[in-house]
Amino acid sequence: QTVVTQEPSLTVSPGGTVTLTCASSTGAVTRNNYPNWFQQKPGQAPRALIFTTSHKHSWTPARFSGSLLGGKAALTLSGVQPEDEADYYCLLYYGGGQVFGGGTKLTVL
Amino acid sequence: QVQLVQSGAEVKRPGASVMVSCKASGYTFTTYDLNWVRQAPGQGLEWMAWMNPNSHNTAYAQKFQGRVTVTRNTSINTAYMEVSDLRSEDTAVYYCARGPYDYWGQGTLITVSS
Repeated sequence: QTVVTQEPSLTVSPGGTVTLTCASSTGAVTRNNYPNWFQQKPGQAPRALIFTTSHKHSWTPARFSGSLLGGKAALTLSGVQPEDEADYYCLLYYGGGQVFGGGTKLTVL
Repeated sequence: QVQLVQSGAEVKRPGASVMVSCKASGYTFTTYDLNWVRQAPGQGLEWMAWMNPNSHNTAYAQKFQGRVTVTRNTSINTAYMEVSDLRSEDTAVYYCARGPYDYWGQGTLITVSS
């Protein structure tokens, strides 16, 4: 049973920078895991932000970026806005299956 | 515009089955994979299943093997997910999402309660 681990919660000040990470119980996350990142606000369906490690959707704000960092997938928010307060989930692909991380609750304070 | 419209909320008894539908519009249904994801109340996202609507190839998360079935009717651009032997822990919002997860259905709340 593969487990994908994210920080349960993070707090950042408006205008600051924060990095969320996504680790795999099977070892280092690589581009072959095609990391995806999603944002979810209360009462809403998730919204895709990043696909295949670092590619942005047309609606993804420029302040969001994806990368691989120290064997993990990473989502960096630079110049955080109050509206970025949300839950963030990563998704990793493993052969024929996919696993979501447990999510990170980001507080902007 | 691309839309995925899901069937409405349902209440089911333990042991029953439920089928959730996901009608696609605004794109060619058979050219994108479809995923099913659920979210229990106050919990995170959980990937359940994947389907290629063209080939009908499917893949399931191990915990749902044998209890979840995904199908489609290409003539009406609709995908279906059936969950059998429902348990209270299956109470969740169920989502369909187009392959790249760029478009999501609105979610279907399934409540399992005696």
